[in-house]
Amino acid sequence: DIVMTQTPLSSPVTLGQPASISCRSSQSLVHSDGNTYLSWLQQRPGQPPRLLIHKISNRFSGVPDRFSGSGAGTDFTLKISRVEAEDVGVYYCTQATQFPYTFGQGTKLEIK
Amino acid sequence: EVQLVESGGGLVQPGGSLRLSCAASGFTFSSYTMNWVRQAPGKGLEWVSYISTSSSTIYYADSVKGRFTISRDNAKNSLYLQVNSLRAEDTAVYYCAAGVNKDYWGQGTLVTVSS
Repeated sequence: DIVMTQTPLSSPVTLGQPASISCRSSQSLVHSDGNTYLSWLQQRPGQPPRLLIHKISNRFSGVPDRFSGSGAGTDFTLKISRVEAEDVGVYYCTQATQFPYTFGQGTKLEIK
Repeated sequence: EVQLVESGGGLVQPGGSLRLSCAASGFTFSSYTMNWVRQAPGKGLEWVSYISTSSSTIYYADSVKGRFTISRDNAKNSLYLQVNSLRAEDTAVYYCAAGVNKDYWGQGTLVTVSS
């Protein structure tokens, strides 16, 4: 199974400041079709998860442009350019390159 | 508006069964692969099962293989998960999620396994 490791697990951030979350996979996420199926999800308190970024860097419909994704192979990053209060929650990276699909442990973003 | 609405959860004794349903609307359900993902109380996300658009390809997590069965009815825009031989560790909110990227998620249905 592909293990997804996120760092940090907790990230206190000041409003208006940037935030960054890293995700490392135990093997390459490049699929045989050439795509890299690495997504980022946001889960606000008491809410279901929501797709933010797919295939490393593609923002999903309605996602603010302060969210961006980057990376390749086994190392990926989610960046928030300026954190807003509504960004509080847990962020997960997840891979859909190989079954079983797997998730990172989650990174809790909180406001200082 | 895209909607996924899960139902069928509840309190069940160890060894019991439930049938979870997910009703989809607002998108072309038959064009999307579907997944069940669960989240134990206070824990992270765990992928449970996948079904292709035509139901020809199905996968399960090892933790549920042989006990859970995924299915779909494209004519009814519905996804199902038959969960049998339930254990305490199956206690979780069960979400349906549409698409290989998990584009859309439902609100979840809580399954509690306890005597």
